[in-house]
Amino acid sequence: DVKVTQSSRYLVKRTGEKVFLECVQDMDHENMFWYRQDPGLGLRLIYFSYDVKMKEKGDIPEGYSVSREKKERFSLILESASTNQTSMYLCASSLNPGLVEKLFFGSGTQLSVL
Amino acid sequence: QKEVEQNSGPLSVPEGAIASLNCTYSDRGSQSFFWYRQYSGKSPELIMSIYSNGDKEDGRFTAQLNKASQYVSLLIRDSQPSDSATYLCAVMASGGGADGLTFGKGTHLIIQP
Repeated sequence: DVKVTQSSRYLVKRTGEKVFLECVQDMDHENMFWYRQDPGLGLRLIYFSYDVKMKEKGDIPEGYSVSREKKERFSLILESASTNQTSMYLCASSLNPGLVEKLFFGSGTQLSVL
Repeated sequence: QKEVEQNSGPLSVPEGAIASLNCTYSDRGSQSFFWYRQYSGKSPELIMSIYSNGDKEDGRFTAQLNKASQYVSLLIRDSQPSDSATYLCAVMASGGGADGLTFGKGTHLIIQP
């Protein structure tokens, strides 16, 4: 069965901390994505990757970076967490290189920055 | 700026009735259209995709697409309380690519027993 696993369901961090959100997929998918979801704002794309060591900015990349050293793993990094980064973070993957069809989502990480 | 608009709801429908969820989009070149269901506290899951004008049926779900009107809808027949969720419309611009997928903010559907 298809699986996208996010390392933490809930995280609480302090302002200024460096935060790592990890995502692993076991489907050999080429594409991986990081979204954040906020009430009233919907799903917004932060970064995505079509291949190992490749990354592209989405709609709201400011304050974030990503790393994809292995095909199955895509990490989201908050270099210096701020309160406006409190949100639900969703990782997703899809199969075809350069083409987004069905997205498989992880269960999400609810991040609170105090 | 590509936009995907949905009525946020809540949309309340009695059990057994037809629930009709609507979505409009701004990019006339859009090619692919998706409906995701998201239960409270859970992540979205794909339930329907549609690529050409007309209707596409899958069990109790029917997706309808009208590219001329830039309108896509989802009908749920014989609505069940388990259909209560937020439904996200997602639209892919021509050419594909992850940055071409835009989500609406979702419609909150409540099925009243």
